[in-house]
Amino acid sequence: NAGVTQTPKFQVLKTGQSMTLQCAQDMNHEYMSWYRQDPGMGLRLIHYSVGAGITDQGEVPNGYNVSRSTTEDFPLRLLSAAPSQTSVYFCASRGGGNSPLHFGNGTRLTVT
Amino acid sequence: DQQVKQNSPSLSVQEGRISILNCDYTNSMFDYFLWYKKYPAEGPTFLISISSIKDKNEDGRFTVFLNKSAKHLSLHIVPSQPGDSAVYFCAARRADGLTFGKGTHLIIQP
Repeated sequence: NAGVTQTPKFQVLKTGQSMTLQCAQDMNHEYMSWYRQDPGMGLRLIHYSVGAGITDQGEVPNGYNVSRSTTEDFPLRLLSAAPSQTSVYFCASRGGGNSPLHFGNGTRLTVT
Repeated sequence: DQQVKQNSPSLSVQEGRISILNCDYTNSMFDYFLWYKKYPAEGPTFLISISSIKDKNEDGRFTVFLNKSAKHLSLHIVPSQPGDSAVYFCAARRADGLTFGKGTHLIIQP
């Protein structure tokens, strides 16, 4: 029972490089989302998806792209990394109704 | 504009005593509230939730209280155990996802 799986666990990028953070869930959840956690800031919503083929922006979407081609996968793309994107990124999914969010274990990204 | 506030960055409690973590919110449209617990290098894990139509929800050692008129909720942990040492996040549900507070680091002293 894997739940929400994020890869990689750690990543270091240089300013301007691009990369994709992977997220997969095996719970058949329609809703998936990406959050970033910064010191003293709590978790902030970047993008979310309510089902395959549907994505929307959250609170802090600038500099990030997402796509949802399957129910299971929800990758987050950084097209041109900036030092301000140094953070810990969490992917989360949930079922319908009042189901709680289930989080992955995070990707720690450093942009130099 | 922080809509969910946890004003205590840290809290130290003796093992066996009650831990009370507080959370205030400003948006009266929030209809569902959750508490998450987070250990270092792990993702947040769901602890307990409460609907805005209730004022109390219990699950074992954990109880969440909601005071809608004061826009305040609290998490009570009784008795506190060493494994409860973690960061606790309060969250409120909105249409696109959850709005989180900044977290309270709970330290259980032996």
